[in-house]
Amino acid sequence: DVKVTQSSRYLVKRTGEKVFLECVQDMDHENMFWYRQDPGLGLRLIYFSYDVKMKEKGDIPEGYSVSREKKERFSLILESASTNQTSMYLCASRSSSNTEAFFGQGTRLTVV
Amino acid sequence: ILNVEQSPQSLHVQEGDSTNFTCSFPSSNFYALHWYRWETAKSPEALFVMTLNGDEKKKGRISATLNTKEGYSYLYIKGSQPEDSATYLCAFFWGRTSYGKLTFGQGTILTVHP
Repeated sequence: DVKVTQSSRYLVKRTGEKVFLECVQDMDHENMFWYRQDPGLGLRLIYFSYDVKMKEKGDIPEGYSVSREKKERFSLILESASTNQTSMYLCASRSSSNTEAFFGQGTRLTVV
Repeated sequence: ILNVEQSPQSLHVQEGDSTNFTCSFPSSNFYALHWYRWETAKSPEALFVMTLNGDEKKKGRISATLNTKEGYSYLYIKGSQPEDSATYLCAFFWGRTSYGKLTFGQGTILTVHP
């Protein structure tokens, strides 16, 4: 069974803290993605990576960075968390030979 | 930023009703159109991946059609059940398979009342 695992289901952080959201996939997928989901806005792409150490900005990268040191792991970093980054964060992965994406269970982040 | 639009944003139906949602997307540079179902406290899961104009796909009571020339897809649910309650997302795939990405619509939240 394919698996994308996000490190936390719920997270509460303070404004200004550095936050790490971790995502691991066990399918040997080349491509990995970070989305955020807000009511009425759907899933919006923050960053994606199509190979180890490669990263591309998505539609809303401001305030975020990413790291992909190993193929199976893709980390999203909030350098200095702000209240407008309170959201549901979803990680996804897919093979470079197939368009279907597989998702983690999501991390609901609250910044207070 | 590509524009993928879904309607309606939310829908309440009674058990046994049939329902449908719409997804509109750019008609140029089409590669694939996906439908995902996202149930509460679970991960989004792919329902259909559609690539050819005129495609019709079916999974149980759920089916989808695709018109790439005019840029729309319909998702139909026949005889809705409470377990169909979920957010339904469509996503437009663009770029090459090796490094392309999905752009999602806002989603349609379906609630089926017993």
